[in-house]
This record gives sequence, structure tokens and C-alpha cells, in this order.
Amino acid sequence: EVKLVESGGGLVQPGRSLKLSCAASGFSFNDYWMGWVRQAPGKGLEWIGEINQDSSTINYTPSLKDKFTISRDNAQNTLYLQMSKLGSEDTAIYYCASIIRGTFDYWGQGVMVTVSS
Amino acid sequence: DIVMTQSPSSLAVSAGETVTINCKSSQSLLYSGNQKNYLAWYQQKPGQSPKLLIYWASTRQSGVPDRFIGSGSGTDFTLTISSVQAEDLAIYYCQQYYDTPYTFGAGTKLELK
Repeated sequence: EVKLVESGGGLVQPGRSLKLSCAASGFSFNDYWMGWVRQAPGKGLEWIGEINQDSSTINYTPSLKDKFTISRDNAQNTLYLQMSKLGSEDTAIYYCASIIRGTFDYWGQGVMVTVSS
Repeated sequence: DIVMTQSPSSLAVSAGETVTINCKSSQSLLYSGNQKNYLAWYQQKPGQSPKLLIYWASTRQSGVPDRFIGSGSGTDFTLTISSVQAEDLAIYYCQQYYDTPYTFGAGTKLELK
């Protein structure tokens, strides 16, 4: 069974950094592109970015490129999202997902990040 | 960025009805090299993660009931749900994966009349 479990969320002060993790199991993690999507409270889905199997290609949505960094550790079957200079606009549920052909085929349950003083 | 516009934003239906959700992209999603449309549909039920329903505009993901039908090409796409069931009440999103950033539509909320 494919399982993606995000962790690392919580309450963070504006301007601070936070690193999310996504532990993958039940599939061959190092064969798949992986990505992150977020959803602000009561809002729609926002594509954050994606990373290929060997981390040689990483794509971001332009507005987040200077704040967010996607990485992975294939030995640990884990995907990461490093977020910096957080603002209230970054308050959202963050989902990790496996990617095939550009679509998000399997999703984690999501982790909430709240940016507030 | 490719802008995805969905309509309507919400839809009230009765069980057994057929519904249509529209999605329009700001540029063509049809790649001439393989004649495939890079358009997907997702379903998100309350409190749950999104679920992939359809990719390549009309190919159902494994396990998705055949009452979910995707159609369209180029810039105009449709998700049709025939004989809506109570379990189909959700928000539906289209997504283009033709070019990064891969953008989503704003969603269509399917509600019970």
C-alpha cells in the first residue's frame, strides 16, 4: 500500500523558517518524481513544485522559488520542503504527492502550517 | 503561467442527475508530438486529500467509477458525472501539466440540492 506521511508542521512566527518532511512507503520511492501542493484555509490547490528521481531537476512555482526549497533523500525514502521567510500568506495545509506524467497520483494526508505571532 | 478557469464555482444537484463541470485553459494543452491533452481532474471530499480522477483529459485513474467522464481538447475541457451519487459531493479541480508551473483551477463545489 502506498503511504505518504507528512510531518514537521505547526505554529511558526512570521519571518521564521520551517522544514517539512514526507515519509514514503509502499512503492519504489527513487523511481518517482515527487512534489508539494498547498491549500490555504477554505481555498483551492496551489502547486508548489516538483523534484525528479535523482534531484537533478527541481521546478517551482515562480512566486515561491526564492522562499521554498524541495529536496529528497532516496536512502531514507523521504521528501522535504524547506520554507523560509514565512508570512501569513503561507498558512496552509501542505501535501506531498507522488507524480506520474505531471499529475499527482498519490497524496499524503497533509500537514498544517500556521504562520502567526 | 497557464491560467485555468473553472465554471461554475458551485453546483447544487439532486442524486441521480447528470452534471457538467467546465475547465478552460489560457493556452492549448494539446501537445502535437503525441496528440495528448495535458489536463487532469481531481476530487476532494471534505477533510480529505485530493484524489486523481482523470488524466490525459479523458483517461480514468484505476478504480474510478465509469460515471466520471472527461472530455475536451485544446483549451476547453469538461468533467461529466452521470447519475450523481451522494458520495460524489466534493470539490472538483482541473489541473494542467503541460508546462510548469502546473496550475489548478479554482475548483467547483458540488452540493446537494
